[in-house]
Amino acid sequence: QSVLTQPPSVSGAPGQTVTISCTGSSSNIGATYDVHWYQQLPGTAPKLLIYANNNRPSGVPDRFSGSKSGTSASLAITGLQAEDEADYYCQSYDNSLSGNWVFGGGTKLTVL
Amino acid sequence: QVQLQESGPGLVKPSQTLSLTCTVSGGPISSGDHYWSWIRQPPGKGLEWIGYVYYRGGTFYNPSLKSRLTISVDRSKNQFSLKLTSVTAADTAVYYCARRVVGTIVTSSWFDPWGQGALVTVSS
Repeated sequence: QSVLTQPPSVSGAPGQTVTISCTGSSSNIGATYDVHWYQQLPGTAPKLLIYANNNRPSGVPDRFSGSKSGTSASLAITGLQAEDEADYYCQSYDNSLSGNWVFGGGTKLTVL
Repeated sequence: QVQLQESGPGLVKPSQTLSLTCTVSGGPISSGDHYWSWIRQPPGKGLEWIGYVYYRGGTFYNPSLKSRLTISVDRSKNQFSLKLTSVTAADTAVYYCARRVVGTIVTSSWFDPWGQGALVTVSS
């Protein structure tokens, strides 16, 4: 069971907006630690998508955005495209004994 | 542009030691505030951080693996390595090496870039 909780799956039609949640606790997101997001296309390694809550690395489209509030964070994808179909993972720091760098369980995005 | 590539045996017998090496290209391993990390992903499951090494040799491990784990660095070869002892089927996973980038504070760190991953199966 992952320290950070994500919905197993979300879906949306092309052009729509989807949001993926990442829920933590007082030892990670709630302790004001930053949240980062990764995209894993089928059969490939994860790729950094959002860092430090709401920053996009060079080359990531502005259709992807992140936010954080309290013990949760969210990834929003606007103008959904077929190539966005992938697994998405959130990551943060945890100050308990569960392993300092923690990931969510991942969310499978299906573009209908 | 830094790139990482994992290498090592794809099959390990139970109770033996899993060994992997990550070769860093496109830049020196001894650069800046970067920490060289291992992350694994069991088939069909999520990501688990394993540990990291600093180019000067300092290490930090996931508490759940610490008793079986050694991560080391070889600056002369621009490589870092993972050794996990007494493996079981639960250690079967794709193992990724990645660079841990430190943000404005040390607890704000993310992983970028990642290697392509190496599948290691533990089976007799």
